[in-house]
Amino acid sequence: SQTIHQWPATLVQPVGSPLSLECTVEGTSNPNLYWYRQAAGRGLQLLFYSVGIGQISSEVPQNLSASRPQDRQFILSSKKLLLSDSGFYLCAWKGEGLGDTEAFFGQGTRLTVV
Amino acid sequence: SQQGEEDPQALSIQEGENATMNCSYKTSINNLQWYRQNSGRGLVHLILIRSNEREKHSGRLRVTLDTSKKSSSLLITASRAADTASYFCTDNAGNMLTFGGGTRLMVKP
Repeated sequence: SQTIHQWPATLVQPVGSPLSLECTVEGTSNPNLYWYRQAAGRGLQLLFYSVGIGQISSEVPQNLSASRPQDRQFILSSKKLLLSDSGFYLCAWKGEGLGDTEAFFGQGTRLTVV
Repeated sequence: SQQGEEDPQALSIQEGENATMNCSYKTSINNLQWYRQNSGRGLVHLILIRSNEREKHSGRLRVTLDTSKKSSSLLITASRAADTASYFCTDNAGNMLTFGGGTRLMVKP
C-alpha cells in the first residue's frame, strides 16, 4: 500500500537559520508531489509541485525552494528563514496524470520561526 | 487545476443536524473531489464526483454537481461531533492541485 512520510512534525527555528523538510512516498512510482503552506484557520497555498525527478514548478515566489533528488523524495528548503515562513507545511502526492486519482497527504510539519 | 471556492467559510451546527457546504469553480472539470482536514492534520479524501454524474452518496455524505452552474455541494447528514473539521474541494485536473479556503465546520455535542 502507498504511504507518505513527512518529518519533523514540529520545528522551531530562529530567524535566519536554514530549513530542510523532507517528504518521502512509498508504494508508488513517478508520483506528482506537492508542497503546501497553511496559515492558521486558512486554506492551502500551493508552493511547489513536481511531475518528475528534477522537475519543479513554483507557484509562489518566496524565500523557499524545493528539490526532487529521487523519484519518491521531495524536499522543501530555505537558506535563511523569515518570520513570515511560519506555518503548517503539508506534503502530498497523487498518481501521474490520472484525473480520477485522489491525493494523499502527509501529517504536516508545524514550523515556528522565532 | 482550478481551485474551488467553498462557502460558507464557517458553519456551526448541533449534533444530529445536517451540514451543507458549497463549492464553486470557474472552468470545465473532469471531476470534483472533496477532502476533510482535522485540526493540525493532513487532508483526507472523502468523495469524488465525475462531470457526468449529478449526485453521489457515501455513507452519511451526499455530493451533488451542477455543471451548468459550476457548483457542487457536500451534505453531511446526522452530523456528529467527530465531523468537526475543515472541508475543501478541488477539481484535481492536470498536474496542479489547488484548493480554496475551505469551510470550517463545528458540530456541537
